[in-house]
Amino acid sequence: KQEVTQIPAALSVPEGENLVLNCSFTDSAIYNLQWFRQDPGKGLTSLLLIQSSQREQTSGRLNASLDKSSGRSTLYIAASQPGDSATYLCAVEGGKLIFGQGTELSVKP
Amino acid sequence: DTAVSQTPKYLVTQMGNDKSIKCEQNLGHDTMYWYKQDSKKFLKIMFSYNNKELIINETVPNRFSPKSPDKAHLNLHINSLELGDSAVYFCASSPNSGANVLTFGAGSRLTVL
Repeated sequence: KQEVTQIPAALSVPEGENLVLNCSFTDSAIYNLQWFRQDPGKGLTSLLLIQSSQREQTSGRLNASLDKSSGRSTLYIAASQPGDSATYLCAVEGGKLIFGQGTELSVKP
Repeated sequence: DTAVSQTPKYLVTQMGNDKSIKCEQNLGHDTMYWYKQDSKKFLKIMFSYNNKELIINETVPNRFSPKSPDKAHLNLHINSLELGDSAVYFCASSPNSGANVLTFGAGSRLTVL
């Protein structure tokens, strides 16, 4: 049974810092891994999708990596801004999307 | 022009009542989903429909009955509401049932008193 864990559960950083969010999963038989952003009271926005054959994806200040063999992914956010404050969820697809619990990020001005 | 729209956004009701949440997508996607996010923020899939046919049905009480009149709509009806049903319910869609990026609705917050 696939389980997805995200560490830390919450993170507070000053503006401008680079930061890393971690995601681990127990079953490496996945099609892809996705990172989402959820703002309070809102739905989820897809940030990055990494196919199982890929090692990383980049979009602007975001870089996501995938190490399928070790069951790990990281989301790197460069030069964080207060607007980055949100909950970040990773999810693995292996027939259905299984989500982690999320990391609540707060970027202080 | 909202891609995946859910109604209502908020729903407060008494235990034992029956309620429905509606979802519509205008993306031309074939596959739609219902997810439940509980108070601890865990998002869990409940159902998935592909071209009006049920393809994923997780271990969900049979008080929950999805209905897909066409591939652009997926409604969720809940009978005999219980306190534990309080959660945010998210609808989502994807181009097909393969490994795709999902587009989520804004969620429907259900509170059962």
